[in-house]
Amino acid sequence: SQKIEQNSEALNIQEGKTATLTCNYTNYSPAYLQWYRQDPGRGPVFLLLIRENEKEKRKERLKVTFDTTLKQSLFHITASQPADSATYLCALASGGSYIPTFGRGTSLIVHP
Amino acid sequence: EADIYQTPRYLVIGTGKKITLECSQTMGHDKMYWYQQDPGMELHLIHYSYGVNSTEKGDLSSESTVSRIRTEHFPLTLESARPSHTSQYLCASSAVGHRLTDTQYFGPGTRLTVL
Repeated sequence: SQKIEQNSEALNIQEGKTATLTCNYTNYSPAYLQWYRQDPGRGPVFLLLIRENEKEKRKERLKVTFDTTLKQSLFHITASQPADSATYLCALASGGSYIPTFGRGTSLIVHP
Repeated sequence: EADIYQTPRYLVIGTGKKITLECSQTMGHDKMYWYQQDPGMELHLIHYSYGVNSTEKGDLSSESTVSRIRTEHFPLTLESARPSHTSQYLCASSAVGHRLTDTQYFGPGTRLTVL
């Protein structure tokens, strides 16, 4: 069956360091992958999209990599700040409906 | 900040009541979705719509129904609420983007508690 795996343990890092979050998937042939941020009690907010034929995407302090051979995406936040503390969700979409399926998310806690 | 609204934000009701969760968007998006999310868990797609008069069931079996009479409005109805319906309900919309990408804009959610 199709599965999206994100680390269920919270990631704790110090302010200023780079946070790296992982999204692994099985039994998908994704057309694209997205990362969203979700704060407690609120809906997710879109951050970045990367297509199957792209290796890397950047936006300000954010960087996403996509390795379809390893079936893995890495999400990096450089120079992290306490305001970056949130849950980060990855979402995959395959051909057909192209509706994304969301992972459970990983909680990031940035300590001052 | 996305222009998508959900009401009510919080709702506590008794078993057996009929409820409607409202969702409206002002972005002119054709596609709209309803997700259910429990704390620390994945979003589960329960209904979606490609446009007016289009409704489809999602991956998660649900006892709810939806309608899409106007582009901007996508209400979700539970005919008879049960404690198992207690959850967070998130509405989203999207416009089909370049090369069929689907970036979703979410509302703030409705936290439903059924006693």
